[in-house]
Amino acid sequence: DAGVIQSPRHEVTEMGQEVTLRCKPISGHNSLFWYRQTMMRGLELLIYFNNNVPIDDSGMPEDRFSAKMPNASFSTLKIQPSEPRDSAVYFCASSPLMEQFFGPGTRLTVL
Amino acid sequence: AQSVTQLDSHVSVSEGTPVLLRCNYSSSYSPSLFWYVQHPNKGLQLLLKYTSAATLVKGINGFEAEFKKSETSFHLTKPSAHMSDAAEYFCVVSEGAGNNRKLIWGLGTSLAVNP
Repeated sequence: DAGVIQSPRHEVTEMGQEVTLRCKPISGHNSLFWYRQTMMRGLELLIYFNNNVPIDDSGMPEDRFSAKMPNASFSTLKIQPSEPRDSAVYFCASSPLMEQFFGPGTRLTVL
Repeated sequence: AQSVTQLDSHVSVSEGTPVLLRCNYSSSYSPSLFWYVQHPNKGLQLLLKYTSAATLVKGINGFEAEFKKSETSFHLTKPSAHMSDAAEYFCVVSEGAGNNRKLIWGLGTSLAVNP
């Protein structure tokens, strides 16, 4: 199995631009999680899906952030418009039941 | 409310000496507990998990953790530290399942291993 796949691995953009991060979970896993990690705030759970349905989005920082999971094999996290304080590493993880399997992360830099 | 407290934000040990990373939790239910490791500039990897079976759990790379309900603790140990163990370690509590699942992450403990 290829594991959780995230793209792009690195993204540099300018303030105000739209950013879309992508995640392909491990086949057969029914839960998917989006996290953000920064030095200041550590690891934060943004949102998680169960069977493609958003269950808990209380960690989504504000309306500029949105996440979708149109099918079991694909999810996106969109930031529009992006701001410099959104710079972070964004991780996607999938889970069959209990433990989570993490992707390599997307390092986002907003200038 | 559920919570996870990693009692040390930084731990420094010498190579070859024991490692102890402390984690206390509060939970209203019978939780599942996990330790994850993150090496510098890498993703997170599961070290070990407790899911209501044996209270002493063995993980990868020689790590162990013991679930102590009376102490609400799930401390991570290793008898002899290697340089490659230098990383960030996260304790996680999971309650419920499916749409009722709750995940609580600790803030992490940074482990330094000195030669």
